[in-house]
Amino acid sequence: DQQVKQNSPSLSVQEGRISILNCDYTNSMFDYFLWYKKYPAEGPTFLISISSIKDKNEDGRFTVFLNKSAKHLSLHIVPSQPGDSAVYFCAATPWGNAGNNRKLIWGLGTSLAVNP
Amino acid sequence: DVKVTQSSRYLVKRTGEKVFLECVQDMDHENMFWYRQDPGLGLRLIYFSYDVKMKEKGDIPEGYSVSREKKERFSLILESASTNQTSMYLCASRSRAEQFFGPGTRLTVL
Repeated sequence: DQQVKQNSPSLSVQEGRISILNCDYTNSMFDYFLWYKKYPAEGPTFLISISSIKDKNEDGRFTVFLNKSAKHLSLHIVPSQPGDSAVYFCAATPWGNAGNNRKLIWGLGTSLAVNP
Repeated sequence: DVKVTQSSRYLVKRTGEKVFLECVQDMDHENMFWYRQDPGLGLRLIYFSYDVKMKEKGDIPEGYSVSREKKERFSLILESASTNQTSMYLCASRSRAEQFFGPGTRLTVL
């Protein structure tokens, strides 16, 4: 039973446009969310995170939005570049619940292709 | 910068062999993790360790064991490799909520 869902396995976007990757979660105990990027044959790299006390976090071209009532978060990449082509994973944890927060719960990933 | 290294990038083994995958981190992190990644299945947690000699099963521990004798080193052991263990294996260590990954080991079991 997937507690973190990325319903789009793939996404294709034109260079320079906005990429929006979506993530839904079911566990209301999750209070910290992370996005990772993964290139083929490499380990995932941490991209950006957001705590449930915020609804937006921005880092350069990357912005994550959190809608707690809808249990939904999204990653916006503006403008998209060909080097952004990768698999993006959403992850969540009940960070405020000490003792139960050691693991991250992962989505299955969305493969983003940014076309020149 | 956090550095997580894995002993091999590519490994080819035969069915029934015992396989050791080693992971070392240089940031004194207490928590370390082993995942496997397969197409369409995302990252699946095999085992994790929250302290030296402490371990906990993840979602798919069958066919695997782990060893954490020193804080910086976390080893994944395939007791008797099988073809369905052909996969990309990823090690990570944790600082606060973020996990930092090694480059991965692509294991092929023939």
